[in-house]
Amino acid sequence: AQRVTQPEKLLSVFKGAPVELKCNYSYSGSPELFWYVQYSRQRLQLLLRHISRESIKGFTADLNKGETSFHLKKPFAQEEDSAMYYCALSNDYKLSFGAGTTVTVRA
Amino acid sequence: GAGVSQSPSNKVTEKGKDVELRCDPISGHTALYWYRQSLGQGLEFLIYFQGNSAPDKSGLPSDRFSAERTGGSVSTLTIQRTQQEDSAVYLCASSLQTRTGTYEQYFGPGTRLTVT
Repeated sequence: AQRVTQPEKLLSVFKGAPVELKCNYSYSGSPELFWYVQYSRQRLQLLLRHISRESIKGFTADLNKGETSFHLKKPFAQEEDSAMYYCALSNDYKLSFGAGTTVTVRA
Repeated sequence: GAGVSQSPSNKVTEKGKDVELRCDPISGHTALYWYRQSLGQGLEFLIYFQGNSAPDKSGLPSDRFSAERTGGSVSTLTIQRTQQEDSAVYLCASSLQTRTGTYEQYFGPGTRLTVT
């Protein structure tokens, strides 16, 4: 069975500090992983996906199959990064989400 | 263009009543999904519709939950005899066809259901 684990429910960092959101997964096949973000009073939206290997809003995430991880990183957090972040794994069409991490970036 | 829309945005109902939640997907999106977001939990997959194929109902938590998609567009999620544990935000998403790959899912604003 597939499972996505986000061990941190809350993460608070200062503006300009690095931020890393952890995500671990269990999946028997070849995973396709995503990070979704939900800003205050906005709808859930895709932030990035591992197959595109791109940086979005300064965030990057690398799939580490050996450690079964897909951690999200940003070297310099901004106040506008405050949001709820969900790691998700795709099994064909279904998305399995982690419990989410609430990030607060303080000035 | 318009994104995924859901109605109502909020619904308060008494325990034991039936409720219907509506989702209008993005025009041209053949895949439609329902998820549930409960307090302190992640998003839980409920049901998936793809074109005229039989829906994947494997995520529905009980037989009190059902969903329809009429004309390949609008979908209705029905919860019968609501219980307090049904209180959650119900999210709808749509995407282009996914049989050959995983396309980005676009989410609606959700319906917040409160069962008193």
